[in-house]
Amino acid sequence: EVQLLESGGGSVQPGRSLRLSCATSGFTFRNYAMSWVRQAPGGGLEWVSSISRSGVSTYYADSVKGRFSISRDNSKNTLHLQLNSLRAEDTALYYCAKDKRATDNCCLDFDSWGQGTLVTVSS
Amino acid sequence: DIQMTQSPSSLSASVGDRVTITCQASQDISSHLDWYQQKPGEAPKLLIYDASNLETGVPSRFRGSGFGTHFTFTISSLQPEDVATYYCQQYDKLLSFGPGTRLEIK
Repeated sequence: EVQLLESGGGSVQPGRSLRLSCATSGFTFRNYAMSWVRQAPGGGLEWVSSISRSGVSTYYADSVKGRFSISRDNSKNTLHLQLNSLRAEDTALYYCAKDKRATDNCCLDFDSWGQGTLVTVSS
Repeated sequence: DIQMTQSPSSLSASVGDRVTITCQASQDISSHLDWYQQKPGEAPKLLIYDASNLETGVPSRFRGSGFGTHFTFTISSLQPEDVATYYCQQYDKLLSFGPGTRLEIK
């Protein structure tokens, strides 16, 4: 059974940093691109960032480019998201998501999601 | 960036009704479109990929169609457990989601 477990969320002041992690199991992690998707309270889904299965290629939404950094450790089956220069509008539930297809193309559709970790940015 | 729009933003229908949601892309995305269902308090769930392919284990009352810029999601016979918000998502150029359609039972 595929499992994705996010951690690292919390309440921080604007301008500070957080590092989110997603521990995975139940599939061959290195074979799949991975992504982060967030959802503001009461809001819709927003794609944040994706990383190819090798980790060589990374992609970001314009809203986070230059502030967030995605990475992965294929030896530990773990995905990370470094959040810097946080803003109030970054407040959201952050989901880790697995690509459906084991291809070099990144990223397409998400067949497994974690339960999310909540990031609250407030002074 | 590719912008996705959905209509309606919310709808209420009766059990057994046929329900249709539309999704429009700001530019041609071929068939690079998915549909997700998100129930309250839960993570999203993939229902349809590549515009019209049913994900494994998803009931056959869910159907997707369309190509290019205009797409349709249909529930042939609404069930009480289908109460959720439905999102389209394109993956032709990076990724982006539609704003969602909230579905309720009358």
